[in-house]
Amino acid sequence: GQSLEQPSEVTAVEGAIVQINCTYQTSGFYGLSWYQQHDGGAPTFLSYNALDGLEETGRFSSFLSRSDSYGYLLLQELQMKDSASYFCAVRDRGGGFKTIFGAGTRLFVKA
Amino acid sequence: NAGVTQTPKFRVLKTGQSMTLLCAQDMNHEYMYWYRQDPGMGLRLIHYSVGEGTTAKGEVPDGYNVSRLKKQNFLLGLESAAPSQTSVYFCASSYSRSGGTDTQYFGPGTRLTVL
Repeated sequence: GQSLEQPSEVTAVEGAIVQINCTYQTSGFYGLSWYQQHDGGAPTFLSYNALDGLEETGRFSSFLSRSDSYGYLLLQELQMKDSASYFCAVRDRGGGFKTIFGAGTRLFVKA
Repeated sequence: NAGVTQTPKFRVLKTGQSMTLLCAQDMNHEYMYWYRQDPGMGLRLIHYSVGEGTTAKGEVPDGYNVSRLKKQNFLLGLESAAPSQTSVYFCASSYSRSGGTDTQYFGPGTRLTVL
């Protein structure tokens, strides 16, 4: 089966950098995605890593190490609007490439 | 483009009642998904479809049925609602046929309460 682990909560100060980790177990790993969800809203796609290394998109970066079954999302120059839940998700080859989500990390950004 | 739309937005059911949630996408996506989200539990995959006329079970399929008669629509049915099915239901769609980036686009959600 598949499982993902990420911290339940992270708190950081406006302007700081925060890293949200994700470890996963899957039988047929194909890629790791990150999604953001504000309270009352729908999840929105942030990034996808299929290969080892760092992907950068503006203030957000995502890293993957397939040998360690580990990835992280890095948020720089934190803003109050970054307060949200962040989900890692694994794309698995089994059953037609379905995607399984982690339980989410709630990020609180303080002034 | 409307993207992914869901109807209804809110619904209250009594135990044992049935209902259908409708998801529609106008992006010509092959893959469509139904998730439920409960506090502290993230998104759990109920059923998904890799193309018109196909469906497959996800992590928590019991008590739900789905149909994908048209490529743009994915229906989620509850035949006999139970209080344990109180949740927020999200539909999503993605372009990818197999492998590669699977950017999922989510609908606004349906908040369902079963009394």
